[in-house]
Amino acid sequence: KAGVTQTPRYLIKTRGQQVTLSCSPISGHRSVSWYQQTPGQGLQFLFEYFSETQRNKGNFPGRFSGRQFSNSRSEMNVSTLELGDSALYLCASSRTSGGNTDTQYFGPGTRLTVL
Amino acid sequence: AQTVTQSQPEMSVQEAETVTLSCTYDTSENNYYLFWYKQPPSRQMILVIRQEAYKQQNATENRFSVNFQKAAKSFSLKISDSQLGDTAMYFCAFIPSNTGKLIFGQGTTLQVKP
Repeated sequence: KAGVTQTPRYLIKTRGQQVTLSCSPISGHRSVSWYQQTPGQGLQFLFEYFSETQRNKGNFPGRFSGRQFSNSRSEMNVSTLELGDSALYLCASSRTSGGNTDTQYFGPGTRLTVL
Repeated sequence: AQTVTQSQPEMSVQEAETVTLSCTYDTSENNYYLFWYKQPPSRQMILVIRQEAYKQQNATENRFSVNFQKAAKSFSLKISDSQLGDTAMYFCAFIPSNTGKLIFGQGTTLQVKP
C-alpha cells in the first residue's frame, strides 16, 4: 500500500507570494492533519480535515488555510508569505478522526523557503 | 494541560549497544495510544512503535521496545543492538480525544557511533 505523498518536496518563494501544498493520504484514510516543523518551535499543529470538513485547528493566523477533497486528498495554502513561514510542512493521515487511538502516518514533507 | 516531555535533548550510543530514551506525559484520559516516531536527518518521519494504554504488556517491534508505566505516566523507548541507521531524532507523542492533533515532545537526537 502506498504511503502518504506530498508535493512538491521543495519550494522557494519570496515574501508576499502565496503557496499551495498538496497531500495524498494512504488509501482508505479519511483524515489528514497538517503540521509545521521548525528548529525553534518544533512540531506545531495547523489543522485537521476529515470528510472534507475542517475538524480541528491550531493557533495559526488566517493566512494559513486548507481544504480536503472528496478523494481525501488535502491542500494547504499560505497567503502573503513571511520569512517566518520557512519550515518543513508535514501532513499525516489516519483512518478516522476524533479518537485518541488514531494512528497518524506521515508524508515526506514539503520544505518551504521564503526569501 | 496535556503535555509530553522528553528530558534528553541529545544522546549517543555505540553501535551494537543498548540505549533508552525517556518520555513523560500528562493526560487525564484513561484510554489512549502512545507513540514513538523517528525522523532521520532530512528524511521522513516514521512510526517506530505504538502502545495502547489499556494494555499492561509493553509493546515490542524487533529491536525496539517500550517501558510503559501508566501510573507514573512514563513511556520510555529502548533500542537494543543499536545500528548506524538508528541515528535520528526521536519524538514521543499521543493524541488527546477529539483534537486530531498529535502532542509531541521536544525530541531526542540520537547519534549511533561506529
